[in-house]
Amino acid sequence: DAGVIQSPRHEVTEMGQEVTLRCKPISGHDYLFWYRQTMMRGLELLIYFNNNVPIDDSGMPEDRFSAKMPNASFSTLKIQPSEPRDSAVYFCASQKSRGGNSPLHFGNGTRLTVT
Amino acid sequence: RKEVEQDPGPFNVPEGATVAFNCTYSNSASQSFFWYRQDCRKEPKLLMSVYSSGNEDGRFTAQLNRASQYISLLIRDSKLSDSATYLCVVVWNEKLTFGTGTRLTIIP
Repeated sequence: DAGVIQSPRHEVTEMGQEVTLRCKPISGHDYLFWYRQTMMRGLELLIYFNNNVPIDDSGMPEDRFSAKMPNASFSTLKIQPSEPRDSAVYFCASQKSRGGNSPLHFGNGTRLTVT
Repeated sequence: RKEVEQDPGPFNVPEGATVAFNCTYSNSASQSFFWYRQDCRKEPKLLMSVYSSGNEDGRFTAQLNRASQYISLLIRDSKLSDSATYLCVVVWNEKLTFGTGTRLTIIP
């Protein structure tokens, strides 16, 4: 299995531009998560899906952020318009089943820089 | 108070030494606990689960103290390859909360 695949690995964009991050979870995993990691705040859960349905989006910072999961093998996180404070590493992770006994598998992350 | 707190370090430890760090959590109803390891500029990966009875995996020992609400990770005979950031994870109601991580550097 290729693991969780994220693209792009790096994204540099100017303030105000739209940014779309992509994720392909591990096949057969029912849960997909989007995390953001910064030095100051660590790993923060933005949103997670169960069987393609958004379950908890309380971590999404504001309306500029949106996430979709049109099918079991693809999800996007969109930021529009982007701001410099959005600069962070964005991780996608998938989990076979919910709860503590099933580990999270993270993708390599997308390092976003907004200038 | 943060839900999960860790000493950010850095811990600089000579090769072969034993090192331990803790992670405290605020929710006494937390149900499960884990340690993840994150190498520089890489994604976090599960290191080990933490059980009430404690558990050991080679040079690594994880323990849970529910009364004082902390978990610990002990690394014996540290290797250069142990250099990484160690993240504790606390689970409540199926929600995983990560600590900000403790950075460990093993010095030759």
